[in-house]
Amino acid sequence: KNQVEQSPQSLIILEGKNCTLQCNYTVSPFSNLRWYKQDTGRGPVSLTIMTFSENTKSNGRYTATLDADTKQSSLHITASQLSDSASYICVVSAMARSQGNLIFGKGTKLSVKP
Amino acid sequence: EADIYQTPRYLVIGTGKKITLECSQTMGHDKMYWYQQDPGMELHLIHYSYGVNSTEKGDLSSESTVSRIRTEHFPLTLESARPSHTSQYLCASSDSGLTMGEQLSYEQYFGPGTRLTVT
Repeated sequence: KNQVEQSPQSLIILEGKNCTLQCNYTVSPFSNLRWYKQDTGRGPVSLTIMTFSENTKSNGRYTATLDADTKQSSLHITASQLSDSASYICVVSAMARSQGNLIFGKGTKLSVKP
Repeated sequence: EADIYQTPRYLVIGTGKKITLECSQTMGHDKMYWYQQDPGMELHLIHYSYGVNSTEKGDLSSESTVSRIRTEHFPLTLESARPSHTSQYLCASSDSGLTMGEQLSYEQYFGPGTRLTVT
C-alpha cells in the first residue's frame, strides 16, 4: 500500500534555531517528492519538488534532501522565523498516477516561539 | 502567489441543505482537483478534472458531485448536507507538467479552502 509517514507529529522550537523534519514513504513506482507548507486555515504552498535523480534542493532557508534507496526525505529549516509556524506536508507522486494524484502525509505541525 | 479562489471561506449550514462550493482559477490550467481534509489529517482527493466536460472520482468516496463547464470554474455540490460532511475542502489546479528528464511533474496550486460545518 502506498503510504507517506512523517515525523515528528509536532515540534516546538525557539526563533532562530534550526530543525529537521522527516518523511518516509513506501510509494512505488516513485515519480517525485514534494514538500508543502500549509498555514492554519489556508491551502498548501509548494516549497520544493524532487525527482529520484535529485538528492537535495533548496528554497531560501528550506533545504530538502531525498534518498531514493532508503525512501526517506528530510526538510531542514535554517534560522527559523515566527512565520515558519505551519504544517509541513510531505507528498509523493507515483509514476503510474499520471493524472497528478498525490499521496499526502499527515504533516508535521511546527511552532516557532519567540 | 497562485490565482485560485474559493468561496465561501467559511460556511455553517443545517442538515439537509443543498450547498455549492465555488472554485475558480485564472491561470488557464486544464487540470483541477478537489481535496477533503479533516483537522490534523492528510488531504484526500475526492474529484478531479482534466478539462471541460471531464470529471472523475478520486481516491476517497464522496457524496458530492462536480461539474466542469468552463476551464476556469470547478464547483462542488452537496445535494443534502449531513454532519459527516463537516470538513475542510481544498481546490487545486495544475499545469500540463514540467518535463524532468523522462518524467512529468505536475505542480499543483491550492486555493485557500472552504471550512464547512454542517449542524
